[in-house]
Amino acid sequence: GAVVSQHPSWVICKSGTSVKIECRSLDFQATTMFWYRQFPKQSLMLMATSNEGSKATYEQGVEKDKFLINHASLTLSTLTVTSAHPEDSSFYICSARGGRMSSYNEQFFGPGTRLTVL
Amino acid sequence: GENVEQHPSTLSVQEGDSAVIKCTYSDSASNYFPWYKQELGKRPQLIIDIRSNVGEKKDQRIAVTLNKTAKHFSLHITETQPEDSAVYFCAARGPNSGYSTLTFGKGTMLLVSP
Repeated sequence: GAVVSQHPSWVICKSGTSVKIECRSLDFQATTMFWYRQFPKQSLMLMATSNEGSKATYEQGVEKDKFLINHASLTLSTLTVTSAHPEDSSFYICSARGGRMSSYNEQFFGPGTRLTVL
Repeated sequence: GENVEQHPSTLSVQEGDSAVIKCTYSDSASNYFPWYKQELGKRPQLIIDIRSNVGEKKDQRIAVTLNKTAKHFSLHITETQPEDSAVYFCAARGPNSGYSTLTFGKGTMLLVSP
């Protein structure tokens, strides 16, 4: 159990375009989803936390207008990188967590999406 | 907020040797400490975790110890194998972290030579 999927697994786009990444919890309801960014040989940096049905909470330094997060259902969250630039190229990983009473109370990670902006 | 320090950043061992990775945390209210293994280009996988009401936990070749007083916890891998080669991340989480988020250490690249 506790499978989290991400789509796409990789994407290449032109500078100035927008890219949407989907994160799905396949076999449990994720009350909270997290979006991380990981540069090569570095740790996972939390970008934002979203609870289903409410606005995402962004970490300091993360532009909410550039990284749009939607958590419209208990199994789906999306991250849209708007007006992407080469410096946005990175590995984006989501994770999902069930509620406190859920059997899936821990964080389970998606496989990641590698974004390359030309 | 929470701050997690992890050492060493790289660790090279011979197959069969033991490997130890250490982490310290700053928030005394943190109560959950997972360890993740991440292979290149793949997702982090939870390999073991420990809660603050336990001092040690073992699962086959891996074990984690926690010293709440000193605010540090360690991962121990015995009889290492080449397939143990990966980046290992420690993390901490507690009630004061807001939305119960994990704070990760910077990672340790473990290389196990045959």
